[in-house]
Amino acid sequence: RKEVEQDPGPFNVPEGATVAFNCTYSNSASQSFFWYRQDCRKEPKLLMSVYSSGNEDGRFTAQLNRASQYISLLIRDSKLSDSATYLCVVKDQAGTALIFGKGTTLSVSS
Amino acid sequence: ETGVTQSPTHLIKTRGQQVTLRCSSQSGHNTVSWYQQALGQGPQFIFQYYREEENGRGNFPPRFSGLQFPNYSSELNVNALELDDSALYLCASSLRPREQFFGPGTRLTVL
Repeated sequence: RKEVEQDPGPFNVPEGATVAFNCTYSNSASQSFFWYRQDCRKEPKLLMSVYSSGNEDGRFTAQLNRASQYISLLIRDSKLSDSATYLCVVKDQAGTALIFGKGTTLSVSS
Repeated sequence: ETGVTQSPTHLIKTRGQQVTLRCSSQSGHNTVSWYQQALGQGPQFIFQYYREEENGRGNFPPRFSGLQFPNYSSELNVNALELDDSALYLCASSLRPREQFFGPGTRLTVL
């Protein structure tokens, strides 16, 4: 079983749509969780950290379910500029390495 | 911009050759991590350097080695290049254990 698993998509949605990405992780001892965004041929950039209580940043909402080892990202009112690959990331138990999923590709069209 | 720079931007090598990639970390950061991202995959952790010492290593063979210098810049060396080494190599700097900021990457092609 891969350490971090995501549906690779692609997700093709119209502007204004709401889209949800899901991710599961295998190490129950993991402590830190993130969503990164990566544009084509660019470096990954931190979108948001994910907390057990859930957190929101504008149109983006992230949730963590430790019991199910499940992380989600909800994007409301999608914009063309949201088109990118979204990477689910877990920090390893030692707090050293970021463990990335393969990424989910989102394409928002007008 | 993250303030993390990498050189070169692109590189083409042939099988069996050796390559050195360089990373200059953000000012004040004492930790550099290296990742390999193959096409269609997420980045994979190679190793991390903290204050010039290796501080963790992923599942990569010994022909992948690194250095961190007193100014916290870093090098990744890969010996005996294989076709599967073709990838985007990313370095990330941080003030351990805080957020890792990624550089733009070096795209390596092995022919």
